[in-house]
Order: sequence, then structure tokens, then C-alpha cells
Amino acid sequence: GAVVSQHPSWVICKSGTSVKIECRSLDFQATTMFWYRQFPKQSLMLMATSNEGSKATYEQGVEKDKFLINHASLTLSTLTVTSAHPEDSSFYICSAPRGSGYTDTQYFGPGTRLTVL
Amino acid sequence: SQQGEEDPQALSIQEGENATMNCSYKTSINNLQWYRQNSGRGLVHLILIRSNEREKHSGRLRVTLDTSKKSSSLLITASRAADTASYFCAAGFQGAQKLVFGQGTRLTINP
Repeated sequence: GAVVSQHPSWVICKSGTSVKIECRSLDFQATTMFWYRQFPKQSLMLMATSNEGSKATYEQGVEKDKFLINHASLTLSTLTVTSAHPEDSSFYICSAPRGSGYTDTQYFGPGTRLTVL
Repeated sequence: SQQGEEDPQALSIQEGENATMNCSYKTSINNLQWYRQNSGRGLVHLILIRSNEREKHSGRLRVTLDTSKKSSSLLITASRAADTASYFCAAGFQGAQKLVFGQGTRLTINP
């Protein structure tokens, strides 16, 4: 079946540093990927839509200069949290739909837990 | 916010009982999806119901959709301890592949 991976699975960093998270579709190509953030015991909040070969589309309230997204290939999207602060500590999850249809199943990565000290 | 609401927020039942979770959303949708998340893990897709469908089954899962009330329900029959997880509904919209998630229900199945 389709698999989406994320790397790293967890990261601890100092305040002020930047952290890059990778999301890969392993056995299918994804022109679109989605990035979500999930705080403890809360739901997933969509942050942005990553589009291969073009700029990402950010949801209202998400700072595009803070959360840089690059979708350089059909199997890889990266999310860089720049100048991370403790409030950015969260669980970041990506997803990729297999296909371009509205009802295509989305496959979720296992998530990356970011802790900013 | 487009985010849907789910109730109950938490549900604790005995193994073998049925569990019902409800989801409401605010705008017209193309489809409604249900996902399961084990603690600290990614999401697993359970079932998708299209806006022109009213009921769908998959194994021990039964999903209903009432577009007039903008609500959906997920029924898990004959629950097992392994069903313990958080369950989320997610609305899919015409013209976009992005999903908007409900707040989730934390289900605990007691052996």
C-alpha cells in the first residue's frame, strides 16, 4: 500500500534555531502534500498546502516566513520551522493524496514531534 | 473556523459494547472521512462517505451522513481493546483536496 514517511520522527532544538522536517511519498508521486500541526490532546490544524513546482498555499494565521515549505520533487516536501521558539513545540504531520481527485485517500506520515527548549 | 465539532470528546466503554461518535460540520462538503490515531502516531484512514451517500459499512464500522443536518456518525460494533484510540472526522470539499478535521473523540475500551 501507499506509504508516506517523515524524517525525523522527533527533534529537540534550542530556541532560535531552524528545523527542517521531510515528508516523502514512498511508492507514489504526490503533486500536492499537506502539512498539519497538532498540539497535545487537540485536533489537526491544517497549516499549508504544498504544491510541487510552485509556492505553497498557507492557511489563514500561519506565517509563511516562519514555516517555509519547499516541494522540490514529486515525492518530497519539506517544512522548515525558522527561528523556532518554545510555542512552536508540537506534533507536525504531513499527508499526501494518491491522485488528484477529491475523494482520493490521503496517506498520513507518522508525524514529527518537535520540542523547542 | 471551518473546523467541525465532534461529540463526545471522550468515551469510555466496556469491551464488546458499541461505540458511537458524532461529527458536525459547517459548510457544504464533497465527502466526509473518518480517521483513527493511536497515541503519538500518524493517522489511519478508516472510511470515506461521499456527500450523495447516506450510509457506508466497512467491517465493524458503520458511517452515516446526513447532509441536511450537516452531521455524520461513526459506529464501531463489538468493540475491542485494540480500538482504543482517538477518532477524527475530516471534511473534504469540492474543488480542493485539503481536509478540515473535527476536534476528535478519545475512545477507551476497557477489557
